[in-house]
Amino acid sequence: DAKTTQPNSMESNEEEPVHLPCNHSTISGTDYIHWYRQLPSQGPEYVIHGLTSNVNNRMASLAIAEDRKSSTLILHRATLRDAAVYYCILRLNYGGSQGNLIFGKGTKLSVKP
Amino acid sequence: ETGVTQTPRHLVMGMTNKKSLKCEQHLGHNAMYWYKQSAKKPLELMFVYNFKEQTENNSVPSRFSPECPNSSHLFLHLHTLQPEDSALYLCASSQDWSGGVTGELFFGEGSRLTVL
Repeated sequence: DAKTTQPNSMESNEEEPVHLPCNHSTISGTDYIHWYRQLPSQGPEYVIHGLTSNVNNRMASLAIAEDRKSSTLILHRATLRDAAVYYCILRLNYGGSQGNLIFGKGTKLSVKP
Repeated sequence: ETGVTQTPRHLVMGMTNKKSLKCEQHLGHNAMYWYKQSAKKPLELMFVYNFKEQTENNSVPSRFSPECPNSSHLFLHLHTLQPEDSALYLCASSQDWSGGVTGELFFGEGSRLTVL
């Protein structure tokens, strides 16, 4: 399985942008890059996903390197509610076992007031 | 409200007890999942059900017995558990599991299990 590497933890100040990096040097052409986050005492929630082009939604932006070997999740203005563990996951774009969502350790983001 | 409801939220049981965890999704999805999250470890996929049929069992010990009576309900029956089975058990659902979809998973808040 293709693996991802993320920093164990990061800190941010409230209302400042946050850039969460993810390395995936063994990514294959059919892997989508998914981001989920897990707030304290909750289950994970979907944030965003992309294949090659940068993506934006109401929660965040995803910047994907041209060679696709790394990506960055961008929170434009961090709030205290964004403190969570962020997971970068490679997921094949078809169903069955190969499309299962397999979690790593993620990055624990702390947000300071 | 995530659309996926898990009960109970907390459960304490002895090693000889039999208990069940329940998951219900109100999203009209066809696939349901059980994940286990132990302290200091990543989430581990345990079981996958697609249209009520079990499609994945990731070498889970038989003391965990899943049941999916319909696409909206998923149970995890527990018996003769060990203290190391103490963990947060998370249920999730998605639109489908087979076919070319990149559908997101919707998770419940989890059931915190403590085995004494």
